[in-house]
Amino acid sequence: GQNIDQPTEMTATEGAIVQINCTYQTSGFNGLFWYQQHAGEAPTFLSYNVLDGLEEKGRFSSFLSRSKGYSYLLLKELQMKDSASYLCAMHAGNNRKLIWGLGTSLAVNP
Amino acid sequence: GAVVSQHPSWVICKSGTSVKIECRSLDFQATTMFWYRQFPKQSLMLMATSNEGSKATYEQGVEKDKFLINHASLTLSTLTVTSAHPEDSSFYICSAATRRETQYFGPGTRLLVL
Repeated sequence: GQNIDQPTEMTATEGAIVQINCTYQTSGFNGLFWYQQHAGEAPTFLSYNVLDGLEEKGRFSSFLSRSKGYSYLLLKELQMKDSASYLCAMHAGNNRKLIWGLGTSLAVNP
Repeated sequence: GAVVSQHPSWVICKSGTSVKIECRSLDFQATTMFWYRQFPKQSLMLMATSNEGSKATYEQGVEKDKFLINHASLTLSTLTVTSAHPEDSSFYICSAATRRETQYFGPGTRLLVL
């Protein structure tokens, strides 16, 4: 079957680095997405990893290991505005829908 | 690029009325759009996949006669909540998929049924 898992909550300090992990199990894996969702708002796209390795985009980086069924989102130089829920989602098979994790609620403290 | 709009952003209606929500991809064509529902402090729940020119595919447990979806063009999908009841009050969010399967979300519609 299909399964995707990420921690429910994390806390970090302003200016620090935080890594949010996501593990998944599926057949026909195509790629792994990360989205950010602030409270009361719709999700916004952060990254899409298809191949193994690290992709950097400013303060945010995303890593994928297809063989291990593992991804992480790395947030550097944390700011208060980074307090949000971070959703990982996988795309598998020919179906266009994504399988969503339950989200990791990140609280950035001063 | 990849902007999705959603209208209205807020709806308050009486129990028993129908509500239509529009989702538009403004700068790209989307053969596939998705409708989600999200209750407070809960995860996204996919309701249905909307395909241009064909019938929507509903997720298990979602009543297709209650949540009518129409995807008449490559830039517009609509969700109609028929005979809305207080338990239908929620945050409804649409997304449009690009060719790389990246979903871009509209800002969402808050529905409150009295």
